[in-house]
Amino acid sequence: DIQMTQSPSSLSASVGDRVTITCQASQDISNYLNWYQQKPGKAPKLLIYDASNLETGVPSRFSGSGSGTDFTFTISSLQPEDIATYYCQQYDNLPSFTFGPGTKVDIK
Amino acid sequence: EVQLVQSGAEVKKPGESLKISCKGSGYSFTSYWIGWVRQMPGKGLEWMGIIYPGDSDTRYSPSFQGQVTISADKSISTAYLQWSSLKASDTAMYYCARLSSSSWFDPWGQGTLVTVSS
Repeated sequence: DIQMTQSPSSLSASVGDRVTITCQASQDISNYLNWYQQKPGKAPKLLIYDASNLETGVPSRFSGSGSGTDFTFTISSLQPEDIATYYCQQYDNLPSFTFGPGTKVDIK
Repeated sequence: EVQLVQSGAEVKKPGESLKISCKGSGYSFTSYWIGWVRQMPGKGLEWMGIIYPGDSDTRYSPSFQGQVTISADKSISTAYLQWSSLKASDTAMYYCARLSSSSWFDPWGQGTLVTVSS
């Protein structure tokens, strides 16, 4: 099974800060890596698919990069409405889907 | 608009059976896999399994194989997740989501909270 790690597990940043979250896969997953935002009490929402593609309607301050085993998710300028937990998710063709443990983002 | 609407919250006793639902609309229900994801209180997301409503092909995560049953009724565009004998440890929020391009889940249903308590 492919394991996913995320870091940090939580972070606190100021409005306007650049925020970066990393996700690492235990083996090469090409670009089969997606990012979701989950606000408290809400269902997850897709933000980035295939590592770097911005979902329609998602603000451009969100971005993703990486391939193979190492991936990065960035919020270029943190806004109050970005308070949420962010999850990476990988896919392989067994099929199997694994979510990372999540990164909780807070405002300082 | 593509939408998944899940059935309402449930409170059950250990040992009882349960079937929750997820109704799709706004797209061809038989042409996309539907997945189920568990979120235990205060915890992360866990993939449980997927079903292709077109032919009911179903795949389970090894962690959930034998613990739950996933099914679908394409005539009413509805997928199901069921338990034959609930345990307290099944207490969680359960989400359905459409699988797009075989890789990402979008959109998601609003979630069904299942509480199992004596």
